[in-house]
Amino acid sequence: SQTIHQWPATLVQPVGSPLSLECTVEGTSNPNLYWYRQAAGRGLQLLFYSIGIDQISSEVPQNLSASRPQDRQFILSSKKLLLSDSGFYLCAWSVPGQGARAFFGQGTRLTVV
Amino acid sequence: KQEVTQIPAALSVPEGENLVLNCSFTDSAIYNLQWFRQDPGKGLTSLLLIQSSQREQTSGRLNASLDKSSGRSTLYIAASQPGDSATYLCAVEGDKIIFGKGTRLHILP
Repeated sequence: SQTIHQWPATLVQPVGSPLSLECTVEGTSNPNLYWYRQAAGRGLQLLFYSIGIDQISSEVPQNLSASRPQDRQFILSSKKLLLSDSGFYLCAWSVPGQGARAFFGQGTRLTVV
Repeated sequence: KQEVTQIPAALSVPEGENLVLNCSFTDSAIYNLQWFRQDPGKGLTSLLLIQSSQREQTSGRLNASLDKSSGRSTLYIAASQPGDSATYLCAVEGDKIIFGKGTRLHILP
């Protein structure tokens, strides 16, 4: 079956510390992978998307980076967190085309203190 | 660049009423449109997916329509219940998946 794993569920990090959030997908090959962020009371903002290994597009300038070292693994990173990086981070995957539903992880709630 | 707009941003209605949530998008070159529900502090729950070749989809009290040429979709909720209170998100998938900012729905008991 097709599943997506995202961890951790919650994270509290001090300003200036590094970040690594991981997302893995099972049950599909060559998916499109996405990282979104939702700030408090705001909509889902697309941060990065990837159509293949090492093929990553950044949607907004920011303090974050993404990597896709394997087909079904997507990692969101930061070298030094800012207070403004706090939010709810969601990983998603889809196989483009009609009828291809997008699947979302359970999300990571990041609080930078 | 695809832009997705949801109207209204917030809505409060008495229990039992039928209601319509609106979603519009600027680029009609899409594969799908998907409606999600998000409860406070939680992840996303997929409600309905409409393929670009389809006009509507139904699930229980929910009906979603799609007019691709005009860049519009509606989510119709019949006989609303307090448990329907949540944020409803519209997402369009073209070369990537773009979300609207959502409609916060509150059903008054």
